[in-house]
Amino acid sequence: AQKVTQAQTEISVVEKEDVTLDCVYETRDTTYYLFWYKQPPSGELVFLIRRNSFDEQNEISGRYSWNFQKSTSSFNFTITASQVVDSAVYFCALSDAGNQGGKLIFGQGTELSVKP
Amino acid sequence: DARVTQTPRDKVTEMGQEVTMRCQPILGHNTVFWYRQTMMQGLELLAYFRNRAPLDDSGMPKDRFSAEMPDATLATLKIQPSEPRDSAVYFCASGLFSVTYNEQFFGPGTRLTVL
Repeated sequence: AQKVTQAQTEISVVEKEDVTLDCVYETRDTTYYLFWYKQPPSGELVFLIRRNSFDEQNEISGRYSWNFQKSTSSFNFTITASQVVDSAVYFCALSDAGNQGGKLIFGQGTELSVKP
Repeated sequence: DARVTQTPRDKVTEMGQEVTMRCQPILGHNTVFWYRQTMMQGLELLAYFRNRAPLDDSGMPKDRFSAEMPDATLATLKIQPSEPRDSAVYFCASGLFSVTYNEQFFGPGTRLTVL
């Protein structure tokens, strides 16, 4: 069965600190997709990144970076020089790629609080 | 900017009433999903459609929930009769999906309160 674990329920940092959100997944599929979504206090789910299982290159987008390691089944997310606007709940999700694939299995989320 | 739209944004109803939530997916997307978010269960899939055909609705209580896609521009989720335990935020998402491609974008959600 597929499963996503975000062991950190809450993280609190001071502005400008770097912070890493952990995500560990389980799947028997050889082809799959991993996602990160941000849910700010307003409640919407904002897409941040998608990564397929054949692409282990790390990605950087501004202050955000993602580290995908198949060997440890992890897809961690780092925010560099955090800002108050980064305060949100962050979800990691897993999706299969078969003919009936596409549905997301979400982790429980990590609530990030960035204090000024 | 193409977006998934959902109506209503907020709904308060009394136990036993019928509730209908609507979703307009992004034009050109071939897959529509319904998810529910609660404090206890987190985000969980209720049902989804590909090219308007239902693929999986195993996440829904069958006796009271139904999901349909009458055309490519509209997906509906109905609860009849509603119960207090159905109180949650219901998200619709749409995406383009193939064996080599997968994306999903979420609507703003419908916050349902059943008294």
